[in-house]
Amino acid sequence: KNQVEQSPQSLIILEGKNCTLQCNYTVSPFSNLRWYKQDTGRGPVSLTIMTFSENTKSNGRYTATLDADTKQSSLHITASQLSDSASYICVVNGGTGFQKLVFGTGTRLLVSP
Amino acid sequence: NAGVTQTPKFRVLKTGQSMTLLCAQDMNHEYMYWYRQDPGMGLRLIHYSVGEGTTAKGEVPDGYNVSRLKKQNFLLGLESAAPSQTSVYFCASTLKGNKEPPSTDTQYFGPGTRLTVL
Repeated sequence: KNQVEQSPQSLIILEGKNCTLQCNYTVSPFSNLRWYKQDTGRGPVSLTIMTFSENTKSNGRYTATLDADTKQSSLHITASQLSDSASYICVVNGGTGFQKLVFGTGTRLLVSP
Repeated sequence: NAGVTQTPKFRVLKTGQSMTLLCAQDMNHEYMYWYRQDPGMGLRLIHYSVGEGTTAKGEVPDGYNVSRLKKQNFLLGLESAAPSQTSVYFCASTLKGNKEPPSTDTQYFGPGTRLTVL
């Protein structure tokens, strides 16, 4: 069964600290992996998109890594800010169309002052 | 450029009532999608459209109907609402106009509609 599992479920860090969120998937075939940020009460916003051949992708203070062999990805947030408080969702595309997207349940991050 | 908009933002229905959720995008995107988001679950695809006048079923289509009469609009209908349809509904869109888009397109989401069915 195609699944995307994220850990931890929730995380609290102090402002200015770094953190890493994990994503393991069993989706096959693999097309690409995405990370989204979802603020409370808002729709998800795309952070990064990585294909099979990409190991890392950055977007400002967000850096995503992908190990397609072990089917793992991580999202590293550097020098966290209060505005980083949100849910971070890992999404794996198991085909060529968006109807094949498999969404994780997300990691809820709270950045505390 | 408003991106993807959804109306209404909130709605409370009684069991058996009907309603339509409206999604609009001003980015000239070909593909549009309806998802539902429930606590403890990832977003699940209800229906999607690959162009004006076309619709297709997603993972959880039962109890919903859709229409794409205009390229910029994608409507989601509930004919007879049930408590199990209490959820947050998100509309999304992607640009590609061919039938098999390279799936690295950025997907743009609307702000969501929170629906409660009593």
